Amino acid sequence: QQQVKQSPQSLIVQKGGISIINCAYENTAFDYFPWYQQFPGKGPALLIAIRPDVSEKKEGRFTISFNKSAKQFSLHIMDSQPGDSATYFCAAADSNYQLIWGAGTKLIIKP
Amino acid sequence: DGGITQSPKYLFRKEGQNVTLSCEQNLNHDAMYWYRQDPGQGLRLIYYSQIVNDFQKGDIAEGYSVSREKKESFPLTVTSAQKNPTAFYLCASSIRASGNTIYFGEGSWLTVV
Repeated sequence: QQQVKQSPQSLIVQKGGISIINCAYENTAFDYFPWYQQFPGKGPALLIAIRPDVSEKKEGRFTISFNKSAKQFSLHIMDSQPGDSATYFCAAADSNYQLIWGAGTKLIIKP
Repeated sequence: DGGITQSPKYLFRKEGQNVTLSCEQNLNHDAMYWYRQDPGQGLRLIYYSQIVNDFQKGDIAEGYSVSREKKESFPLTVTSAQKNPTAFYLCASSIRASGNTIYFGEGSWLTVV
């Protein structure tokens, strides 16, 4: 029940296309859902996060869509650019503030 | 600049040796964490600390030890009991009871030679 399942494991998208990464969870106590971006050899950095009281949050080209009834959330990257090539992690946390991490998605944007 | 500093960036360990990875933060965060990342893999929690002089085991604590004598510092010792220590180690911190945002350091690469 503590798992966060992330898919796909890897993704190749053409420049200008839409990148979509999905995550699913079981624990209904989770109330915070962040996405982190990690470049090779660097630590992950917070990209965008959402709480379950909203169904969508947009920051620039990055959007989180949240479906509470399905217990799923996804990251959409619009107009994907080569600089977006990185590994993306979803995560979920409950009121104890411990993050449960997805396995990560390696995104490659082809020029 | 505020942030999390990990050192060294690269470290080589001989079989049977203990090594210590340093992690210092000047963000005034209460909570600190150590994660292990293997190539192409996700993040696995080793230890975390919510307050000075207190820490808890994560999912893969065996073969590791930590201390939290100061709020700013959370060193990780990889002991000889850790049979497969070659990995990328990430230190992180967060403001306890607020927002859940975790900030990561740049990481340390540990290789067994």
